[in-house]
Amino acid sequence: DGGITQSPKYLFRKEGQNVTLSCEQNLNHDAMYWYRQDPGQGLRLIYYSQIVNDFQKGDIAEGYSVSREKKESFPLTVTSAQKNPTAFYLCASSLLAGDTQYFGPGTRLTVL
Amino acid sequence: SQQGEEDPQALSIQEGENATMNCSYKTSINNLQWYRQNSGRGLVHLILIRSNEREKHSGRLRVTLDTSKKSSSLLITASRAADTASYFCATENMDSNYQLIWGAGTKLIIKP
Repeated sequence: DGGITQSPKYLFRKEGQNVTLSCEQNLNHDAMYWYRQDPGQGLRLIYYSQIVNDFQKGDIAEGYSVSREKKESFPLTVTSAQKNPTAFYLCASSLLAGDTQYFGPGTRLTVL
Repeated sequence: SQQGEEDPQALSIQEGENATMNCSYKTSINNLQWYRQNSGRGLVHLILIRSNEREKHSGRLRVTLDTSKKSSSLLITASRAADTASYFCATENMDSNYQLIWGAGTKLIIKP
């Protein structure tokens, strides 16, 4: 059963804590992406990776970090430097960069 | 950076009617994609239209692209309650390093 998964679905964090969001795909896709979505808004790109061991900053990378050590996995860390981290986070993958993107179900992060 | 702008921001119609959403963009594109997002979920790809195509169909969906006006429209015919969702356009631009540039979306409500 191929697809892209994100965990956890809901995440609560205290101010000042780092937290890591998981994203895994078994679609054998080269490219993976992290987006942030605020209520009633579109998607804003945080980081993307066109191939394993390589990634680039998107439009709003400050306060976030990623790694791409395996083709299947692209975890996102929300650091304490991110001023307003409460949002809905979406991970996506595509066969190649620029192709149709397939999305995970999202993680809703709330900072208490 | 947001390139696509969807119009209208929100649309409410009766079940069985047709729904039309529009997307405008600013720079030259390789392709334009439409996605659907049910509330609190990930996005689902609907249709991709390339810059050299003018119209595409998929089931009850019809997408047109006018590169001279830098605009696209998504028509959903014979709407159903299950079509209630937000619809986003995304463009792959010639100078965007294969990133997709997203609009803010149109929220469609189908009244039974």
